[in-house]
Amino acid sequence: DAGVIQSPRHEVTEMGQEVTLRCKPISGHNSLFWYRQTMMRGLELLIYFNNNVPIDDSGMPEDRFSAKMPNASFSTLKIQPSEPRDSAVYFCASSGFSYNEQFFGPGTRLTVL
Amino acid sequence: AQRVTQPEKLLSVFKGAPVELKCNYSYSGSPELFWYVQYSRQRLQLLLRHISRESIKGFTADLNKGETSFHLKKPFAQEEDSAMYYCALRGASGSARQLTFGSGTQLTVLP
Repeated sequence: DAGVIQSPRHEVTEMGQEVTLRCKPISGHNSLFWYRQTMMRGLELLIYFNNNVPIDDSGMPEDRFSAKMPNASFSTLKIQPSEPRDSAVYFCASSGFSYNEQFFGPGTRLTVL
Repeated sequence: AQRVTQPEKLLSVFKGAPVELKCNYSYSGSPELFWYVQYSRQRLQLLLRHISRESIKGFTADLNKGETSFHLKKPFAQEEDSAMYYCALRGASGSARQLTFGSGTQLTVLP
């Protein structure tokens, strides 16, 4: 198993553009998590899904952020419009159940100019 | 609300020296505590959890409820221990059951 897969690995875009980050969880895992990593705030949970259903999106910073999980093998995190302060590394993680060990993807490094 | 504090963003020690990465938490109930590690160019991964009470790669961590701490310790640091370390807490119920991470400590072990 390749583990959690994220794409792209790096994204550079201009302020105001739409950004879509993608995640493929480990096959068979029921829970998926999106995190944002910054130097100042460390790792922050943005949203998580159980069985493709969003359970807690209280960490989503504002309405510019949205996440979907149309099926058990795919999730997207979208930022529209993007701003320079969104620059960070975005991690996706999955687990068998939401309270089990989480397995992280390699992350997407986003730079908004 | 639950909170995890790692007071040191950067920590450098020499090879063979003891190392302690500090972690303090605030949570009113009985939490589960974890240490995650991210080596250079590798994924974030679970290092150890307090429930297991085990030593991983020579690291140990003891949950001190009186001091609300979960410091990570190793008696003799190795260069391959250089990495980013995150302390994390999981509460007992509801939304608190999700992991809350600290801001991380970058450990550098010097030769």
